[in-house]
Amino acid sequence: AQSVTQPDIHITVSEGASLELRCNYSYGATPYLFWYVQSPGQGLQLLLKYFSGDTLVQGIKGFEAEFKRSQSSFNLRKPSVHWSDAAEYFCAVGGRYGGSQGNLIFGKGTKLSVKP
Amino acid sequence: GAGVSQSPSNKVTEKGKDVELRCDPISGHTALYWYRQSLGQGLEFLIYFQGNSAPDKSGLPSDRFSAERTGGSVSTLTIQRTQQEDSAVYLCASSFSTTSGRNEQYFGPGTRLTVT
Repeated sequence: AQSVTQPDIHITVSEGASLELRCNYSYGATPYLFWYVQSPGQGLQLLLKYFSGDTLVQGIKGFEAEFKRSQSSFNLRKPSVHWSDAAEYFCAVGGRYGGSQGNLIFGKGTKLSVKP
Repeated sequence: GAGVSQSPSNKVTEKGKDVELRCDPISGHTALYWYRQSLGQGLEFLIYFQGNSAPDKSGLPSDRFSAERTGGSVSTLTIQRTQQEDSAVYLCASSFSTTSGRNEQYFGPGTRLTVT
């Protein structure tokens, strides 16, 4: 069955430090991969997506992610974290075989705290 | 343009009562999804509408849950005889039509349901 694993439930980084959030997926075909961010009391906002092509994808707010097929990973990175990045981050997989007819399968999320 | 909207933003109901949650998708989006977000279960897919096709109801947790989509636009999720375990945030998302899964889903702010 398709699944997404985010190994880190909670991460704390200092403002200005670099960030990497891990995501591993289990999927039977070429996955379509997404990262979403959720601020408290808000819905999910799409940060970036990977469908095909260049395995390093750029997103909004200075985030990037790299698709590594050999490691079944799609880790999210940011070179310098800002206090406003504190939120919960969700990795998701979708596709023709992902879930049922196009719905997304989400990881459990990683909560990011930023120290001043 | 306007994003996905949901109403009400908060709903408190007594156990055993029925509730209706509403979702207005982005104009032009033919696909509509309902997800449930709860502390113990993360983000779970509930139901998916694609154009005029029969909805994919494979994620609905029980027959107390139902949803409809009128005129290919607004959707209503109905929970009958609510139970305390139904307490969660119900998120709606919409996307352009796709059969490949390459769909960017845009989420509404959610409805927080509390069953007392």
